[in-house]
Amino acid sequence: DAKTTQPPSMDCAEGRAANLPCNHSTISGNEYVYWYRQIHSQGPQYIIHGLKNNETNEMASLIITEDRKSSTLILPHATLRDTAVYYCIVRVAAGGSQGNLIFGKGTKLSVKP
Amino acid sequence: ETGVTQTPRHLVMGMTNKKSLKCEQHLGHNAMYWYKQSAKKPLELMFVYNFKEQTENNSVPSRFSPECPNSSHLFLHLHTLQPEDSALYLCASSQDLQRGNTIYFGEGSWLTVV
Repeated sequence: DAKTTQPPSMDCAEGRAANLPCNHSTISGNEYVYWYRQIHSQGPQYIIHGLKNNETNEMASLIITEDRKSSTLILPHATLRDTAVYYCIVRVAAGGSQGNLIFGKGTKLSVKP
Repeated sequence: ETGVTQTPRHLVMGMTNKKSLKCEQHLGHNAMYWYKQSAKKPLELMFVYNFKEQTENNSVPSRFSPECPNSSHLFLHLHTLQPEDSALYLCASSQDLQRGNTIYFGEGSWLTVV
């Protein structure tokens, strides 16, 4: 089972910042938080990941709370092409699962004109 | 363009057919994965290979047979499938199995079993 909780859907106005929350209250100290998105009929696209510190790249920013129990993905200026399902994933600890990605249901983000 | 290429993009096959899905990665990675995404269900991990060796089989039925001849290529051989096996099959790769190394996905192969 996925170790994260996300709202099933969100709306955002074009040009505004999209803030997607994720709860991962059972995260372990050595587990990463990954964000992917999937546009209909395409493969998941990597966005960003982090362990403890906030991260930023050309696509988005990732804000992780100090206790690491939740995080927020920020798309600074959402466009219509950002409409997709966004997945927050805690990469499980090594062992039988080999640190694989376990996908949940994600958040369906709809960017509106 | 993620560097992971899957062919064919679409496949229709009968239940008695034998077909194969192909995946090739141009990223110099050593780990490769097969995932399955059925309608309205989360992505499910099927198989993991690391340095050509299978490291995980997530209780996948034997009618799905993976093959990894080298670190750049991964196949999924399909035989006597059922209509409920119709799904999007996704290949992915990463540098290795370390949690800090990003997994990159291909665009997927849409499979319809009739």
